[in-house]
Amino acid sequence: QSALTQPASVSGSPGQSITISCAGTSSDVGGHNYVSWYQQHPGKAPKLMIYDVTNRPSGVSNHFSGSKSGNTASLTISGLQAEDEADYYCASYTSSGTYVFGTGTKVTVL
Amino acid sequence: EVQLVESGGGLVQPGGSLRLSCAASGFIFSRYWMSWIRQAPGKGLEWVANIKRDGGEEYYVDSVRGRFTISRDNAKNSVYLQMSSLRAEDTAIYYCSSYHDTYHFPYWGRGTLVTVSS
Repeated sequence: QSALTQPASVSGSPGQSITISCAGTSSDVGGHNYVSWYQQHPGKAPKLMIYDVTNRPSGVSNHFSGSKSGNTASLTISGLQAEDEADYYCASYTSSGTYVFGTGTKVTVL
Repeated sequence: EVQLVESGGGLVQPGGSLRLSCAASGFIFSRYWMSWIRQAPGKGLEWVANIKRDGGEEYYVDSVRGRFTISRDNAKNSVYLQMSSLRAEDTAIYYCSSYHDTYHFPYWGRGTLVTVSS
């Protein structure tokens, strides 16, 4: 049950696009289409941004999108905005019936 | 509106026990899986445990299996986490989350802080 691997930090200027990777194994990310992404602002509970690899919950901006290739999932933020500055975590269901989160990525808007 | 309110956190000595509670409202509790997810100070999220709608299945992260027990009372719309043999590394904010026939966590409480220290 090792954490999924994410870059510690990603930055971009307003309006730019950034992509956060989430590397796992065939027992988690690669084995299911049950990858989700969460945004967390300081002192707040996490917020679901993407589920089942590519789906956005109602109310989440369409400048967030998700994808997956093999054992690696990705979150892309297009048209970066100041309010997108936060920590982002991926998560995956596993073949053992458990869940595993990513190590987390701090997004900075320059 | 879905609401999840955690309680029961506090300061406990290493080796001690603590029971967390999560009171749910705004949805049909008995139809939802429930999970506990924690976050150590300044660290990332870690899924801890979950329990099936009827309490018939439970799953745990390896680091707490045998020390923590998740349970639920559908009549009281509540889920619990009984924690024993607590260690310093169990210090974290503990969130409860609910989900319905899905594999992600759309609803979260505000969390309750557990501090394990002498």
